[in-house]
Amino acid sequence: EAGVTQSPTHLIKTRGQQVTLRCSPISGHTSVYWYQQALGLGLQFLLWYDEGEERNRGNFPPRFSGRQFPNYSSELNVNALELEDSALYLCASRRRDSHGPGTQYFGPGTRLLVL
Amino acid sequence: QKEVEQNSGPLSVPEGAIASLNCTYSDRGSQSFFWYRQYSGKSPELIMFIYSNGDKEDGRFTAQLNKASQYVSLLIRDSQPSDSATYLCAVIANFGNEKLTFGTGTRLTIIP
Repeated sequence: EAGVTQSPTHLIKTRGQQVTLRCSPISGHTSVYWYQQALGLGLQFLLWYDEGEERNRGNFPPRFSGRQFPNYSSELNVNALELEDSALYLCASRRRDSHGPGTQYFGPGTRLLVL
Repeated sequence: QKEVEQNSGPLSVPEGAIASLNCTYSDRGSQSFFWYRQYSGKSPELIMFIYSNGDKEDGRFTAQLNKASQYVSLLIRDSQPSDSATYLCAVIANFGNEKLTFGTGTRLTIIP
């Protein structure tokens, strides 16, 4: 079974630009989660999508947004990039009827550097 | 007070010994608890989850949960150099709010 996939693996942008990150969940998984892991900080929850709807949002400004497509893949968009947005962006997925609530499996991440 | 707290380490353990990793959480109503392992430059990998008080064993790993003390731990028996990584404790507050809240992680080094 293929795992969660993310693209691109690495990205370099400059301040003020916009970026789109992509995630494909494990087959059969309908929920997608986005997390940010900045250097020196822990993993911070960004967004949760399930069945195409945004279900929960972390403590991030509105310039962080996303969507989930009918095939359950997801995009994370970040507008007006700031230096502190440099981080590893992780996508996770889970199956709604999984054997354990909240069992999320992570993709390899996209490393974003903002200059 | 942080929602999920871990000793950042580094924790050094001789090969073959037991490594003990600890985590406390602030939300008494928390329902689900997870341990992830993260190698440098890689994404977190699920090791174990636990929902009920007591111990749960999976191979060399044992998770322990004490909801009264708001404490969860991970024991690694017969530690191997490949166990050297950062171990992340994560908590889900309730089943309706499914965001994982992570601790900052404990860096574990197994000394050959």
